[in-house]
Amino acid sequence: GAVVSQHPSWVICKSGTSVKIECRSLDFQATTMFWYRQFPKQSLMLMATSNEGSKATYEQGVEKDKFLINHASLTLSTLTVTSAHPEDSSFYICSASNSGDEQFFGPGTRLTVL
Amino acid sequence: GQQLNQSPQSMFIQEGEDVSMNCTSSSIFNTWLWYKQDPGEGPVLLIALYKAGELTSNGRLTAQFGITRKDSFLNISASIPSDVGIYFCAGRNYGGSQGNLIFGKGTKLSVKP
Repeated sequence: GAVVSQHPSWVICKSGTSVKIECRSLDFQATTMFWYRQFPKQSLMLMATSNEGSKATYEQGVEKDKFLINHASLTLSTLTVTSAHPEDSSFYICSASNSGDEQFFGPGTRLTVL
Repeated sequence: GQQLNQSPQSMFIQEGEDVSMNCTSSSIFNTWLWYKQDPGEGPVLLIALYKAGELTSNGRLTAQFGITRKDSFLNISASIPSDVGIYFCAGRNYGGSQGNLIFGKGTKLSVKP
């Protein structure tokens, strides 16, 4: 089946630093990748949608300068949380789609900002 | 905006019992997906539904795409301890192109051995 990986699986950083999270589709080409944020005991909130080679589309309320997304190839998308603050602490999950109707999720990245 | 109502919010059942959960939408969907999420992990796709009335099984799991296209249910038969987790429904209201998925709030399933 379709496998999506994320790296790192968890990260702890100091307030004010930037953190990059990678999302890779391992056995298929992902024309579209999605980035979600999930708070404890809550559902997934879509942050942005990215298509390979074009700018990401951000959901309302998500700051594009805060959450930089790059989808440089059909197998890799990155999310950079710039100047992270404690309120950015969350579980970040990516998903990938190969032009079908299904999305395959990565294992998530736990970000803790001190 | 579109909303998905997923119920129940949580369930506590005995091992061996059957489980049923459902999602309803305020608008018509063309795709329904059911995911399971274990703590600290990403959601894993269980069943995908593409046609109104479609009934699909995956082992002990069965899901149906409602005739009205505004609802879907997931049944788990003869539950076992490893069924524990949070189950999410997700829907999309246009197929083919990359429409965004809308997620329900999840059903937390607990199974007593």
